[in-house]
Amino acid sequence: GQNIDQPTEMTATEGAIVQINCTYQTSGFNGLFWYQQHAGEAPTFLSYNVLDGLEEKGRFSSFLSRSKGYSYLLLKELQMKDSASYLCAALNSNYQLIWGAGTKLIIKP
Amino acid sequence: GAVVSQHPSWVICKSGTSVKIECRSLDFQATTMFWYRQFPKQSLMLMATSNEGSKATYEQGVEKDKFLINHASLTLSTLTVTSAHPEDSSFYICSASVMEDQGGLYGYTFGSGTRLTVV
Repeated sequence: GQNIDQPTEMTATEGAIVQINCTYQTSGFNGLFWYQQHAGEAPTFLSYNVLDGLEEKGRFSSFLSRSKGYSYLLLKELQMKDSASYLCAALNSNYQLIWGAGTKLIIKP
Repeated sequence: GAVVSQHPSWVICKSGTSVKIECRSLDFQATTMFWYRQFPKQSLMLMATSNEGSKATYEQGVEKDKFLINHASLTLSTLTVTSAHPEDSSFYICSASVMEDQGGLYGYTFGSGTRLTVV
């Protein structure tokens, strides 16, 4: 079957760094997405990785290892506004997005 | 760019009535539109995929006669929840694939979502 695994909830301190892991199993693979979703709002795009390695975008970075079926989202210099759910989604060979359940990130002062 | 406008943002309706949700791509052509449903504290659940000018493809367990999808143009797709019941109360989100100029997939953009409450 196809599935995405990511932690349900994580807690971090303002100003710190947090890494949210995601493992995936899909029928074929055409890339991995990370989205941020605040409560009651639609997801917003953070990153897309299709090749192995780390991609950095300001405070957010995303890593992919295709051989391990593994990705992580790294958030630096955490701010209170980063409190949200972070969704990992893998694109399979049929270009269907397989979604994880999301990781709720709680930022404490 | 690549903005999808979704309306209404929230709606309350009586049980048994129908509700229409619209998604418009404002600055690009949305050949494919995805419709999701999200219950509290759960992930996005794909309901159906619609391609402009053809019938939507529904996921297993989604009643096509209850959730009517129309994608008559490259800029408009609609989801109508017919004979709504309280269990249909959920957050409905549309999403469109965005292609690069060279034809490759750039990503997916989402509408702002519709909070449906059936009373």
